[in-house]
Amino acid sequence: GQQLNQSPQSMFIQEGEDVSMNCTSSSIFNTWLWYKQDPGEGPVLLIALYKAGELTSNGRLTAQFGITRKDSFLNISASIPSDVGIYFCAGHYNYGQNFVFGPGTRLSVLP
Amino acid sequence: GAVVSQHPSRVICKSGTSVKIECRSLDFQATTMFWYRQFPKQSLMLMATSNEGSKATYEQGVEKDKFLINHASLTLSTLTVTSAHPEDSSFYICSARDRGTGETGEQYFGPGTRLTVT
Repeated sequence: GQQLNQSPQSMFIQEGEDVSMNCTSSSIFNTWLWYKQDPGEGPVLLIALYKAGELTSNGRLTAQFGITRKDSFLNISASIPSDVGIYFCAGHYNYGQNFVFGPGTRLSVLP
Repeated sequence: GAVVSQHPSRVICKSGTSVKIECRSLDFQATTMFWYRQFPKQSLMLMATSNEGSKATYEQGVEKDKFLINHASLTLSTLTVTSAHPEDSSFYICSARDRGTGETGEQYFGPGTRLTVT
């Protein structure tokens, strides 16, 4: 079945640094979603992408829908302590399919 | 908008008892709701997909008689863990797909329910 890989699995960065993470698929998707999960909470939708090449921002977060439609990227600029959490990507080909979720990237921000 | 609630947020029960978890979409109608399980430091594991008014579709390896799902309305789905055992202890998260988002159908997650079986 469809699988998503996220890279890196985990990362430790200094406060103020920029962060980049990506998500790759074995097949083409038409919608990409990025979520953040705080410890002990449910994931919260950060950004949704609907078109190949699309670049969308939400505050310090920017996500891009890869041209090949098999990948997506999430960047966080000027990280702060509250950026700590797990970032999940999810994608699907069409509405009739369930979203496939990646394994997550665990972000730690050092003061 | 797009708020999903879960109740209870935490529950402790004794082995052999049943526990019901509710998932509600507060400000939208959800034709489809999803139930996930998450172990510490691991990803989301989809357990089942439920559509309003029809039987849930369970993922491979998930016992439908143990994890009863009822999607009685466009805003409510329940998961009942029957005859719970300590190995059922986990973080259970529901999500709902907004009926109004057409082809895109983003999923919105509830805050999760921490189940501990003693």
